[in-house]
Amino acid sequence: LAKTTQPISMDSYEGQEVNITCSHNNIATNDYITWYQQFPSQGPRFIIQGYKTKVTNEVASLFIPADRKSSTLSLPRVSLSDTAVYYCLVVFTGTASKLTFGTGTRLQVTL
Amino acid sequence: EPEVTQTPSHQVTQMGQEVILRCVPISNHLYFYWYRQILGQKVEFLVSFYNNEISEKSEIFDDQFSVERPDGSNFTLKIRSTKLEDSAMYFCASSWRVGDEQFFGPGTRLTVL
Repeated sequence: LAKTTQPISMDSYEGQEVNITCSHNNIATNDYITWYQQFPSQGPRFIIQGYKTKVTNEVASLFIPADRKSSTLSLPRVSLSDTAVYYCLVVFTGTASKLTFGTGTRLQVTL
Repeated sequence: EPEVTQTPSHQVTQMGQEVILRCVPISNHLYFYWYRQILGQKVEFLVSFYNNEISEKSEIFDDQFSVERPDGSNFTLKIRSTKLEDSAMYFCASSWRVGDEQFFGPGTRLTVL
């Protein structure tokens, strides 16, 4: 299973765009890149998933270069309520697809 | 919007006692999971369940743990003889297909005294 590396923490002001980069050098052909968000004392919540190039939904964009060895989660115009831990995961979709969480990136948004 | 529910929200038990944590996954989902998160640590995978059997389990999921889908809606995690180190938040999750996003419940905080 590909190991992921992402910054331990980031700070941002409200209204700014936040980009969190994750490296996954050993990603395999059948792996997808998935991001989850977790607020204190709550379960993780799915944000976005992609295989290559760019994926966008109503809350975020995910940029994946051609070699797929890294990915960047982009949160446009963050608000205070986006303060949370963000996890980058590499998911093998062949069987059962357990999620292996790292320590994540703790994003702190302030005024 | 459909959601995963878990009961109880908080369970306090004495060491050595059995506990059953309950989950109601989203109704049309086919894959079910349990994870746990010790305070201040990573979310850890325990077990996945599909078609009424365990698909995969981690090293944490030893003989003290078992899972069951006793009816069409509930999914339970039993810890036979709790230890102090079992104190954690336990999250249930479900998904429609393999590789789909997993929907997590709010968690059960288990405190073993």
